[in-house]
Amino acid sequence: KNQVEQSPQSLIILEGKNCTLQCNYTVSPFSNLRWYKQDTGRGPVSLTIMTFSENTKSNGRYTATLDADTKQSSLHITASQLSDSASYICVVREGGGNKLTFGTGTQLKVEL
Amino acid sequence: DAEITQSPRHKITETGRQVTLACHQTWNHNNMFWYRQDLGHGLRLIHYSYGVQDTNKGEVSDGYSVSRSNTEDLPLTLESAASSQTSVYFCASRPPNRGNRETQYFGPGTRLLVL
Repeated sequence: KNQVEQSPQSLIILEGKNCTLQCNYTVSPFSNLRWYKQDTGRGPVSLTIMTFSENTKSNGRYTATLDADTKQSSLHITASQLSDSASYICVVREGGGNKLTFGTGTQLKVEL
Repeated sequence: DAEITQSPRHKITETGRQVTLACHQTWNHNNMFWYRQDLGHGLRLIHYSYGVQDTNKGEVSDGYSVSRSNTEDLPLTLESAASSQTSVYFCASRPPNRGNRETQYFGPGTRLLVL
């Protein structure tokens, strides 16, 4: 069964600090991996997308990496801000079709 | 600006009642999706549609139905609400596939409580 596992489940950091969120998947065949940010009470919003041939993608202070060989991805947040407080969801798309497998998310809280 | 909206944003209903959640998008996307989000689970696909008059079951479709009479709307109906259907429901739309990179755009969600 295709699975996407994220760690940690939750994380608290101080404003200005960096952090890294992890995503491991078993989806096969693989098409692409996307990171979403979901603010409380809102729908998810796409941050980055990476295909098999892309091993890093940046969006402002967000940098995602992908190791397709080990089936791992990470999302690195630099110089965190209070507005980064949200759930971050890793989503993997199956190759050859439209099926998406969603991770359960990492709940990030940035404090003063 | 184009957008995707859901209504109501919050709903309380009783077991056994029929409930319809609305989803409206103004991007003219052919592809529309309904998900539910529960603690301990990733978003799970309920139903999806690739165009007018097209509907398909997702992984958790039992007890739900959808209809697609136009491009803009995909209402989700709970035929006879059950407490297990208490959840947050998200509608999403997506433009046509071009290299599998197209993102889904999510609505703000509907929080449903079945008593």
